[in-house]
Amino acid sequence: EIVLTQSPGTLPLSPGERATLSCRASQSISSSYLAWYHQKPGQAPRLLIYGASNRASGIPDRFIGSGSGTDFTLTISRLEPEDFAVYYCQLYGSSPPVWSFGQGTKVEI
Amino acid sequence: EVQLVESGGGLVQPGGSLRLSCAASGFTFSAYEINWVRQAPGKGLEWISYISTRGITIYYADSVKGRFAISRDNAKNLLYLQMNSLRPEDTAVYYCARGDQKSVAFDIWGQGTMVTVSS
Repeated sequence: EIVLTQSPGTLPLSPGERATLSCRASQSISSSYLAWYHQKPGQAPRLLIYGASNRASGIPDRFIGSGSGTDFTLTISRLEPEDFAVYYCQLYGSSPPVWSFGQGTKVEI
Repeated sequence: EVQLVESGGGLVQPGGSLRLSCAASGFTFSAYEINWVRQAPGKGLEWISYISTRGITIYYADSVKGRFAISRDNAKNLLYLQMNSLRPEDTAVYYCARGDQKSVAFDIWGQGTMVTVSS
């Protein structure tokens, strides 16, 4: 079973700053199988990035996904007030077919 | 508007059963794979089940295998999760989530329904 580890657990920043979130897999994975979501309090998660670097529909270009192998990064170039939330990376594993999430990174003011 | 709406949550005693529903609208339900994902209070996200477009292929997380059953009715645009032998650790918000046709990610999520397992 592949485990995703996100860091840091909490990221205190201010609006306008750059946020860099890490997601590390316990073994090498296909970039096609890595996604990022964010979740605001009391709301459902929202897809931000799929295939490690592709922005989902309606997602602003300040959200940038990158990485390969075991190390993946979500960068938010300039934080807007609405970006303060918990961010999760997600992996699809084909043997057996399961989806797993990292434990989350909270981006807070 | 593309939408998923869950219902059926509530309070149930340990060992009891509950059936959740997820109503789809605004898209061709039968063309999409669907998943259930849950989130215990104050915790992260846990994928628990997948169903293919015609309901032929189904997967479960080990934590619910043998106790939960996913199904769908494409004629009614409905997804179900039958939950049996419920445990306190099943307490969570349950989300249905649509599989993105371009990838293996989940592109549309419902607002969730709360299930509390307690005596």
